[in-house]
Amino acid sequence: GAGVSQSPSNKVTEKGKDVELRCDPISGHTALYWYRQRLGQGLEFLIYFQGNSAPDKSGLPSDRFSAERTGESVSTLTIQRTQQEDSAVYLCASSLERPGLIGVAYEQYFGPGTRLTVT
Amino acid sequence: DAKTTQPPSMDCAEGRAANLPCNHSTISGNEYVYWYRQIHSQGPQYIIHGLKNNETNEMASLIITEDRKSSTLILPHATLRDTAVYYCIVRVARLGVDNNNDMRFGAGTRLTVKP
Repeated sequence: GAGVSQSPSNKVTEKGKDVELRCDPISGHTALYWYRQRLGQGLEFLIYFQGNSAPDKSGLPSDRFSAERTGESVSTLTIQRTQQEDSAVYLCASSLERPGLIGVAYEQYFGPGTRLTVT
Repeated sequence: DAKTTQPPSMDCAEGRAANLPCNHSTISGNEYVYWYRQIHSQGPQYIIHGLKNNETNEMASLIITEDRKSSTLILPHATLRDTAVYYCIVRVARLGVDNNNDMRFGAGTRLTVKP
């Protein structure tokens, strides 16, 4: 079946502009993650959605970052007033995991990412 | 989540087994060991996971020591396409509770398979 898709694949924007990144998870996956990966570095957790529960926003670096997800569908990550340090690849992942399950492990399926360049 | 330690880079000859080590000395009893890899310019790809027992799938084998403080990912016959950054992650199996949602990807091991 179809994997996780993200759009756009590349985005170049001027400093100070707002950008919106989109993630389409695998159908039926209730869990959705956003990560940021700066050049040559590991992944940095941003936010986690699980069904209709309140999202875990503990990884968002500043109040310029926000994300939304309606139910178990598409998610959008918005960065307001972009700065040059926001330049990175933004990765989305989805998973079948359910809250409260103990002793069950699920893998995450990643999309190809959106490469954001702030000039 | 427990912290993992991996060598920054390794080389392997094509066709030989690649053995990638990971130390997770502070792992808790309810934490799984996951391995992912990231080929250049792509999103990470799940490889395998385990709790206590050794695991094998079509991609790799995972050997976990009896005390669970370290593990080794084995690619039995490495190919040039296995060149990637390999991430070892430990994470609780009880999900969606108390902000244990951060799948902490460290710097990983950059494996280069050479012809």
